Amino acid sequence: GAVVSQHPSWVICKSGTSVKIECRSLDFQATTMFWYRQFPKQSLMLMATSNEGSKATYEQGVEKDKFLINHASLTLSTLTVTSAHPEDSSFYICSAGLAGGPNEQFFGPGTRLTVL
Amino acid sequence: DAKTTQPTSMDCAEGRAANLPCNHSTISGNEYVYWYRQIHSQGPQYIIHGLKNNETNEMASLIITEDRKSSTLILPHATLRDTAVYYCIVRVGGGNQGGKLIFGQGTELSVKP
Repeated sequence: GAVVSQHPSWVICKSGTSVKIECRSLDFQATTMFWYRQFPKQSLMLMATSNEGSKATYEQGVEKDKFLINHASLTLSTLTVTSAHPEDSSFYICSAGLAGGPNEQFFGPGTRLTVL
Repeated sequence: DAKTTQPTSMDCAEGRAANLPCNHSTISGNEYVYWYRQIHSQGPQYIIHGLKNNETNEMASLIITEDRKSSTLILPHATLRDTAVYYCIVRVGGGNQGGKLIFGQGTELSVKP
């Protein structure tokens, strides 16, 4: 149980285009989901906290107009990288907390974004 | 959330116990210690967490010192598949599944044949 999926697993796009990444909790409901970014040989960096039915809370230094987050249901959050540029190339990972359950969060497998 | 300090890397022989230390000297009374690991190019995997008592599950054991300023994650019989980066994180828990996790640099564990 407690499986989180991401789609797509990898994407290559041209500079200037927008890319949408989906994060789904498959067998549980998550009122809160988190989005992280990880550059090669670095740790995960929290980008934003996504709450179902409300605006996301962004970490300092993360542009909310560039990284659009929507959490429309208890099982789905999306991250849209708008007008992507090569420096946005990274590994994007989401996580979801189990509402009413134990304290741990469950992570998706990640999405590798490459912007040409 | 309190800051944690971990060794950058460790080696362990296959079949032996891997003991991964973590210092969290500024931990608050309501902060839990969490351990996650990340195998290359995958999402992190939850291992274990605890408040002040030692904990054990099917993956590992967590030993927390009495003053809670440090802890040790123990993989009792390490296998090659345990090669990963291990992250020790402290944060407020207590049913707050909305609490964010702040990752440090972690310990890169290499299990060798």
